[in-house]
Amino acid sequence: GAVVSQHPSRVICKSGTSVKIECRSLDFQATTMFWYRQFPKQSLMLMATSNEGSKATYEQGVEKDKFLINHASLTLSTLTVTSAHPEDSSFYICSARRGRLDGYTFGSGTRLTVV
Amino acid sequence: DQQVKQNSPSLSVQEGRISILNCDYTNSMFDYFLWYKKYPAEGPTFLISISSIKDKNEDGRFTVFLNKSAKHLSLHIVPSQPGDSAVYFCAATSNSGYALNFGKGTSLLVTP
Repeated sequence: GAVVSQHPSRVICKSGTSVKIECRSLDFQATTMFWYRQFPKQSLMLMATSNEGSKATYEQGVEKDKFLINHASLTLSTLTVTSAHPEDSSFYICSARRGRLDGYTFGSGTRLTVV
Repeated sequence: DQQVKQNSPSLSVQEGRISILNCDYTNSMFDYFLWYKKYPAEGPTFLISISSIKDKNEDGRFTVFLNKSAKHLSLHIVPSQPGDSAVYFCAATSNSGYALNFGKGTSLLVTP
């Protein structure tokens, strides 16, 4: 089946630094990938839609200059949290869809802690 | 604005009994619904889905029911097993294939 690999699974960084999270579709090409964020006991909230070869589409309230998304190839999208602050600490998950509507596959997530 | 709602944050069921997880949605454009199972610090894994042209879909112990007029769907797990203990997310999308809209999840605990 479709596999989406997300790295790192866990990262701790200092305030003010930037962190890059990678999302790779291992056995299929994904022209579109999605980035979600989950707070404790909350829903997965869509942050942005990553489109290969073009600019990402950000949801309302998501700062595009803070959460930089790059989708340079059909198998790789990256999310960079710039100038991270403690309030950016969260669980970030990427997703890619392969074919059918039930073909959404999720990465294993990245737990970001900003100290 | 939460377009997919799961109003029960948690549910406890005895092993062998039926687990019923509920989900409501507000956007009438949604026409495809999915259930995901999620463990802590992991990404969601797909369980079962249903299209709006159906009112029931069954896969082994899992059945999803859709009531379009009520904008309500439910996931039935029969019989429930301890390994089913996890957080279950309801998600909705449209056939245009945009991103999924998730509910807040229901934490299911199946006790022996």
